[in-house]
Amino acid sequence: QQQVKQSPQSLIVQKGGISIINCAYENTAFDYFPWYQQFPGKGPALLIAIRPDVSEKKEGRFTISFNKSAKQFSLHIMDSQPGDSATYFCAARGRNSGNTPLVFGKGTRLSVIA
Amino acid sequence: GAVVSQHPSRVICKSGTSVKIECRSLDFQATTMFWYRQFPKKSLMLMATSNEGSKATYEQGVEKDKFLINHASLTLSTLTVTSAHPEDSSFYICSAARLAGVSNEQFFGPGTRLTVL
Repeated sequence: QQQVKQSPQSLIVQKGGISIINCAYENTAFDYFPWYQQFPGKGPALLIAIRPDVSEKKEGRFTISFNKSAKQFSLHIMDSQPGDSATYFCAARGRNSGNTPLVFGKGTRLSVIA
Repeated sequence: GAVVSQHPSRVICKSGTSVKIECRSLDFQATTMFWYRQFPKKSLMLMATSNEGSKATYEQGVEKDKFLINHASLTLSTLTVTSAHPEDSSFYICSAARLAGVSNEQFFGPGTRLTVL
């Protein structure tokens, strides 16, 4: 049973465009939703995270939009650059559970072309 | 801050030998560390949860006698792949949970590429 569904599997965006990656979850006990960026041969790096008490969080060119009623959240990358080309993973975790492992989506391979 | 290191970054070994991978949180204490395995172009697969001073909790299907985990201190966890075989070749990644108020963030190491010949 996949608890976090991520789409699309791959995405090609023109330089300067907006990249949008979507995730949906099933477990209503989830209350922490991070996004990770991974380059080939490297470990995932925490990009931005949100909790369900807010509907949007922005850090630089990266924005998370969160829809609690729909149990969906998305990552928007504004002004996408070739250096943003990487695999992005959404994840989720239960309430007050720093010691509980994250549940990951399957990942989205983003390619930003000039 | 929040740096997690892994050593070695790459290792090649012969079938039947054992390999130890270290995971260290360099600038914070981590009561819990996690070990993942990642196949090419796939997501991270949780292998086990490692708690300092206690036995690791393994995910279903992961052989605890083959993948030995020791969390001896608040900054170090080790994964030993015993009697390694070619099918154990993979990218192994650890993460450490940093408790910071309500943040409870998890930070990942750079990964270890294991190749078993």
